[in-house]
Amino acid sequence: EAQVTQNPRYLITVTGKKLTVTCSQNMNHEYMSWYRQDPGLGLRQIYYSMNVEVTDKGDVPEGYKVSRKEKRNFPLILESPSPNQTSLYFCASRSLAGSGANVLTFGAGSRLTVL
Amino acid sequence: GENVEQHPSTLSVQEGDSAVIKCTYSDSASNYFPWYKQELGKGPQLIIDIRSNVGEKKDQRIAVTLNKTAKHFSLHITETQPEDSAVYFCAASPYNTNAGKSTFGDGTTLTVKP
Repeated sequence: EAQVTQNPRYLITVTGKKLTVTCSQNMNHEYMSWYRQDPGLGLRQIYYSMNVEVTDKGDVPEGYKVSRKEKRNFPLILESPSPNQTSLYFCASRSLAGSGANVLTFGAGSRLTVL
Repeated sequence: GENVEQHPSTLSVQEGDSAVIKCTYSDSASNYFPWYKQELGKGPQLIIDIRSNVGEKKDQRIAVTLNKTAKHFSLHITETQPEDSAVYFCAASPYNTNAGKSTFGDGTTLTVKP
């Protein structure tokens, strides 16, 4: 089944403790992206990647890092989490060519709480 | 950059009635406008999209209309059913697939009462 898999789905952590949210897709998509969803603010883009070793900032990149060493994986790294990073995070991917090139496939989400 | 405004933020309708959600965008370079549905506990999923060379697109009970001059587009759901209850997001981006950024509206929570 074509899908985007995020882990963990739920995480409670403390301020300053480094964490990584993994994202993996099995559709051979070139493009991957991270979003955070907060009440009343919709989906805001954190970082995106057009292909391996190519990443760029979205609208809210502060406090986050990403890497794209392999095509299928795009982890989101919080080096020193703070309470304002408590949010619901989504990873998404899409192809850059073909009829479905603009269609994002989202993961199920990762709910992060930073105490 | 692009700014997308979505209204209303919440919408409650009776089963069988129609629902309309509206979005406006700011960047005239945007020419791809998808709508995503997010059910509880799941990630958003594309339900319909439209490109700027088309004014309207339908798929069964769902339709999207686009007014490029006024920079707004709308989602229309007819004969609503309880399973239509979800959060709906609009988005705007250049159709160029090499464009990295996509901008979403703030979402509309639709409740369909049986």
